Amino acid sequence: GAGVSQSPRYKVTKRGQDVTLRCDPISSHATLYWYQQALGQGPEFLTYFNYEAQPDKSGLPSDRFSAERPEGSISTLTIQRTEQRDSAMYRCASSLDQTNTEAFFGQGTRLTVV
Amino acid sequence: KNEVEQSPQNLTAQEGEFITINCSYSVGISALHWLQQHPGGGIVSLFMLSSGKKKHGRLIATINIQEKHSSLHITASHPRDSAVYICAVSGRLSGSRLTFGEGTQLTVNP
Repeated sequence: GAGVSQSPRYKVTKRGQDVTLRCDPISSHATLYWYQQALGQGPEFLTYFNYEAQPDKSGLPSDRFSAERPEGSISTLTIQRTEQRDSAMYRCASSLDQTNTEAFFGQGTRLTVV
Repeated sequence: KNEVEQSPQNLTAQEGEFITINCSYSVGISALHWLQQHPGGGIVSLFMLSSGKKKHGRLIATINIQEKHSSLHITASHPRDSAVYICAVSGRLSGSRLTFGEGTQLTVNP
């Protein structure tokens, strides 16, 4: 697509429920990042993909968090058994490759766990 | 201590003022990015630089690699410049993965 698209834009879920967030990167981009941004803070790295490979998932805060990019394009971030502390903006960014190139951001998904 | 630190955290200016936001980092980098986060939440890349200075319209970004410091300047500020400005770095070994500062909330009053 023309830009990075994330869905949904907003998600409110009850504590304990599972949620899945989606990111559709720029079509020519090999590399895709997920970041978590708490209110009033800068984004923090969760994980990234190079095509369908996931070389680094060191930023995922617990085993409740997982991400996939099975065909090297669209990616999903799943949070199981959500907790209130998971409430944040989840941002996806894509770049042409994993060398030093510009990253393009989606609009983000605002997740609220009640 | 965060790897990327910005100052000030909050900045209020009158329309027309010259604005400077500072960023210091403690790691070796391959590039530094200035990003603008809109009130609606979207993030737009303003600059990516690894040396010297870049200018785009009323925005100027400079970087001093030896001092590990960058500044973002806005000349003739306007209320539409009100946003959060975020400094981020690409580490030498981390490719295009970014480490972010906490952002500077800029409010420009008419």
